[in-house]
Amino acid sequence: DVKVTQSSRYLVKRTGEKVFLECVQDMDHENMFWYRQDPGLGLRLIYFSYDVKMKEKGDIPEGYSVSREKKERFSLILESASTNQTSMYLCASRAGQRYNEQFFGPGTRLTVL
Amino acid sequence: AQSVTQPDIHITVSEGASLELRCNYSYGATPYLFWYVQSPGQGLQLLLKYFSGDTLVQGIKGFEAEFKRSQSSFNLRKPSVHWSDAAEYFCAVVGDTGNQFYFGTGTSLTVIP
Repeated sequence: DVKVTQSSRYLVKRTGEKVFLECVQDMDHENMFWYRQDPGLGLRLIYFSYDVKMKEKGDIPEGYSVSREKKERFSLILESASTNQTSMYLCASRAGQRYNEQFFGPGTRLTVL
Repeated sequence: AQSVTQPDIHITVSEGASLELRCNYSYGATPYLFWYVQSPGQGLQLLLKYFSGDTLVQGIKGFEAEFKRSQSSFNLRKPSVHWSDAAEYFCAVVGDTGNQFYFGTGTSLTVIP
C-alpha cells in the first residue's frame, strides 16, 4: 500500500515563526502536492512538484514556499507564519499518468497564535 | 477552465436509506473524475474513479457513481447507508495539464440511527 506520512498531526506556532511541514511518500511517485483545507472552501492547492527540484504554484501560493530535494520528500515552508494560515494542511502524492489518483497523508492541523 | 460543484453542503440520511451525492463538473474534453471520502481527523481516501469505458463505476465500501456527459455530472450513490459512512465527501476532476486536481467544496454526510 502507498503510504504518505506527514511529520506532525498537530502543530502550534506563534506569529512570525518559520514553520516547516514535512511530507514523505514511499511509492516513488513523481508528483507531490500541498493543499490547505478550510471549512466551506474545500481543498485549495498551494504548490505541487512534478519532479525533484521542480515546483509549480497552485491557486494560493502567497505566504508559502516549498522544497523538493529528494523524490520522496516534499516540504512546505511558511516563512513567517500568520494567524490566517491557521488551517489543516494535506500532502498528497501521485504517479505521473493522468488517470492516477492522489494518495493523501493524514494531515497537519496548524494553529498560529 | 475546469471546476467542480457539489451543490449540497450537508446531507442527513437515516441508516439503511439510500444516498445520492451530487457532483457537477466543468471541463471541455473527456474528464478524469474522482470521489474521495474523509473521515473526521483523517486524510482523504479514494472511493472510485472514472476515466473511460463503462459510465457506471463501482468503488469501495459499496459505493458507485455514474458519469453522465450530457448533464456534466458524476453523482455518487449507495443503496443502503451505514452509520460508518458519516464523513465528508469530495468530488474532483483532473485539469488540462494532467497534474492538478480540482476539488469541490465537499458534502458533509450525517447518518442518523
